[in-house]
Amino acid sequence: ETGVTQSPTHLIKTRGQQVTLRCSSQSGHNTVSWYQQALGQGPQFIFQYYREEENGRGNFPPRFSGLQFPNYSSELNVNALELDDSALYLCASSSGTGRVTDTQYFGPGTRLTVL
Amino acid sequence: AQSVTQPDIHITVSEGASLELRCNYSYGATPYLFWYVQSPGQGLQLLLKYFSGDTLVQGIKGFEAEFKRSQSSFNLRKPSVHWSDAAEYFCAVGYNNAGNNRKLIWGLGTSLAVNP
Repeated sequence: ETGVTQSPTHLIKTRGQQVTLRCSSQSGHNTVSWYQQALGQGPQFIFQYYREEENGRGNFPPRFSGLQFPNYSSELNVNALELDDSALYLCASSSGTGRVTDTQYFGPGTRLTVL
Repeated sequence: AQSVTQPDIHITVSEGASLELRCNYSYGATPYLFWYVQSPGQGLQLLLKYFSGDTLVQGIKGFEAEFKRSQSSFNLRKPSVHWSDAAEYFCAVGYNNAGNNRKLIWGLGTSLAVNP
């Protein structure tokens, strides 16, 4: 059974650029959640996708957007990067309908640095 | 506002010693409570969770946690720490109310160091 994988591992961008992060969910999982974890902080919920539809969103601006594909893999897109976007971006997959009671399985994350 | 507090930013214990990591939540509704561990280069791993029933829950790697409603706490414990337990530990809370049943609210984490 393959776990949750994320790519790339590390990424360096400059302010104003756009970035796409990718996540492959664990086999059999149809829900993907994305989190931002700034240095020294806990994860912050960005949004969740269930069966290719956005299924919940945290307090992040619209320049944070996402997609989920028919194979349940997912992308996180961030436009107009700001310095404060520098963080570890975590993807988590789960089965069920995406409620908090569903066990989430996390990927290792993508470290984004914005210069 | 809903929040999770982990009062200890950093804890150092000796190998073989007991461990208790504290977690308090702020919201009054019945919470769903979680403890996760994060090791460098690895994803967050669920240690244990509490939804209802017996307030003492057992998890993986010899960890346990106790839910105390009167204290709004969900402290994580381990009787004897191993060097491999050195990691970052996060407490998270979820709620089953409309519009808020998709996201977990996380604490800032407690960094655990283990002395040989």
